Amino acid sequence: DTGVSQDPRHKITKRGQNVTFRCDPISEHNRLYWYRQTLGQGPEFLTYFQNEAQLEKSRLLSDRFSAERPKGSFSTLEIQRTEQGDSAMYLCASSLRGRGSSYNEQFFGPGTRLTVL
Amino acid sequence: KNEVEQSPQNLTAQEGEFITINCSYSVGISALHWLQQHPGGGIVSLFMLSSGKKKHGRLIATINIQEKHSSLHITASHPRDSAVYICAAPYSGGGADGLTFGKGTHLIIQP
Repeated sequence: DTGVSQDPRHKITKRGQNVTFRCDPISEHNRLYWYRQTLGQGPEFLTYFQNEAQLEKSRLLSDRFSAERPKGSFSTLEIQRTEQGDSAMYLCASSLRGRGSSYNEQFFGPGTRLTVL
Repeated sequence: KNEVEQSPQNLTAQEGEFITINCSYSVGISALHWLQQHPGGGIVSLFMLSSGKKKHGRLIATINIQEKHSSLHITASHPRDSAVYICAAPYSGGGADGLTFGKGTHLIIQP
């Protein structure tokens, strides 16, 4: 257990439905990352936050995806109008970036496996 | 966007063998990550390194920043080392942002 938790662990939904996932990072960590991993592939970067500010988004994050971290603690990732291609494992990670630090170790949650029927 | 390539994609070896996994990336970075993923999805950070070499037990990671290349070595491999090993570099280069990952090396150590 890395200290990063995700909920739910599994989600099955029908095409066209909206889903929301939650990530609780390690409490003192100021950076939070979302990744997506499809079967047999490495994870792909979606977006990351420093405190409550969303600092970077990849082109994978279409307008159907939205992520928030309203109080700089937990984060939610919402997918609207789900498609079968959204089926994947959604991973959250957190890290602590100190002042003057240019890199930081990331701690990963167990992931939320989404299946879109 | 940084492009990360790993080799080999699959590796089967006998217990006790010395294992090497290679990683190259396209955009200059300040640190590279090696991660381990077991069946079921859990990802654990093994190393984060910016230069030279790091060692944890039987695992050794090296990096050459100028050549944009890193290697992960496992000495005296054991069946419990069987997992997917993933190399990752900062998505946009530099060091303090999201990661882009290689496709992973699926390692099987047979007794």
